[in-house]
Amino acid sequence: QSALTQPPSASGSPGQSVTISCTGTSSDVGGYNYVSWYQQYPGKAPKLMIYEVNKRPSGVPDRFSGSKSANTASLTVSGLQAEDEADYYCSSYAGSNNLVFGTGTKVTVL
Amino acid sequence: EVQLVESGGGLVQPGGSLRLSCAASGFSFSSYWMTWVRQAPGKGLEWVANIKQDGREKYYVDSVKGRFTISRENAKNSLFLQMNSLRVEDTAVYYCARGQATIFYWGQGILVTVSS
Repeated sequence: QSALTQPPSASGSPGQSVTISCTGTSSDVGGYNYVSWYQQYPGKAPKLMIYEVNKRPSGVPDRFSGSKSANTASLTVSGLQAEDEADYYCSSYAGSNNLVFGTGTKVTVL
Repeated sequence: EVQLVESGGGLVQPGGSLRLSCAASGFSFSSYWMTWVRQAPGKGLEWVANIKQDGREKYYVDSVKGRFTISRENAKNSLFLQMNSLRVEDTAVYYCARGQATIFYWGQGILVTVSS
């Protein structure tokens, strides 16, 4: 039940792209296609942005995309906008009905 | 519209107990796994526990096993978290959430502070 590893911070200028990694093991990220990404503003509840590696819930802009390779998942935000500045967390199913979250990444729009 | 509203948080001394409640509406509560997630001040998200639709299967993060109990009352669309033997490190905002492998909906969160 160790947290998934994310970079503490990432940044980009408006219009650019930023990619956040989420590294786990073969027991979580690498073992299941149940990787999700959440956006969280300060003092607010998280919001689901990507689920099952690369699916977007209704209402989430297609600027947000997800992928996975082996034990590492990634979230890419294209065409960065000021409103994308937030904390982002990944999560993965870890077997035995357990869920594990990433350490979180603060995205700054320069 | 899916709504999850937590209640029951507050200040408690180390070793004390607290019971969180979550009132669900806008969906068929009895059809979904439900989960509690917490976030310590300035820290990341941590999965705490989840419970199957019929309440017969429950799972916990190691750090709360034997101290916390998750339960649900489907007739009242309610989810609960009984927290005993609370520790300072249990201080966090606790979120009620719908889902198991994916958390599709979150409550607004309730603060639990464990301090003497």
